[in-house]
Amino acid sequence: AQSVTQLGSHVSVSEGALVLLRCNYSSSVPTYLFWYVQYPNQGLQLLLKYTSAATLVKGINGFEAEFKKSETSFHLTKPSAHMSDAAEYFCAVTHSGGYQKVTFGTGTKLQVIP
Amino acid sequence: EAGVTQSPTHLIKTRGQQATLRCSPISGHTSVYWYQQALGLGLQFLLWYDEGEERNRGNFPPRFSGRQFPNYSSELNVNALELEDSALYLCASRPDPNRVDSANEKLFFGSGTQLSVL
Repeated sequence: AQSVTQLGSHVSVSEGALVLLRCNYSSSVPTYLFWYVQYPNQGLQLLLKYTSAATLVKGINGFEAEFKKSETSFHLTKPSAHMSDAAEYFCAVTHSGGYQKVTFGTGTKLQVIP
Repeated sequence: EAGVTQSPTHLIKTRGQQATLRCSPISGHTSVYWYQQALGLGLQFLLWYDEGEERNRGNFPPRFSGRQFPNYSSELNVNALELEDSALYLCASRPDPNRVDSANEKLFFGSGTQLSVL
């Protein structure tokens, strides 16, 4: 069965520092990979999505993620953290167009220190 | 355009009671998904409704059930509540799943209902 591992349930970075949130998937190559963000007291929003068109995917708010098949990874990065980036981030994968088969990671809570 | 709306925002129940959670999808969306977000477990798929029918369910006991109404809104019912049912329940919607375009791959989430079972 497909699984998604997000290393580190809590990550702290200083404002202006690089943000790196890790995501690894198991099993076969997913059809799609996603990063969602959940701000406090809000629902999840799609940050970015990988659909095999390009290995480097750019999302909203300056985030990007690179799909590396050899490493079974889809890490999320942002060159310079902003206070407003403090949120919980979820990596997700699916092997089909049916969302009932989407597998989510356990989430990483990002803290940005001023 | 209004997003996915869920009610209530918070719900407090005691063990053995029943909880009913509601979701209104974005106008024009026919599919509604329910997820449970429990501490440390990430998002767990619960149920998928489309055109009024249950299309799939996750690995949850039968006391988790729901339905979708003709206007595509949905209810999630949890019977015989247990302490471990305490979680954030998220509803998401998307357009007609038979559409084969990239817009169909995006889920739109509501803000969730925080269920606390005491």
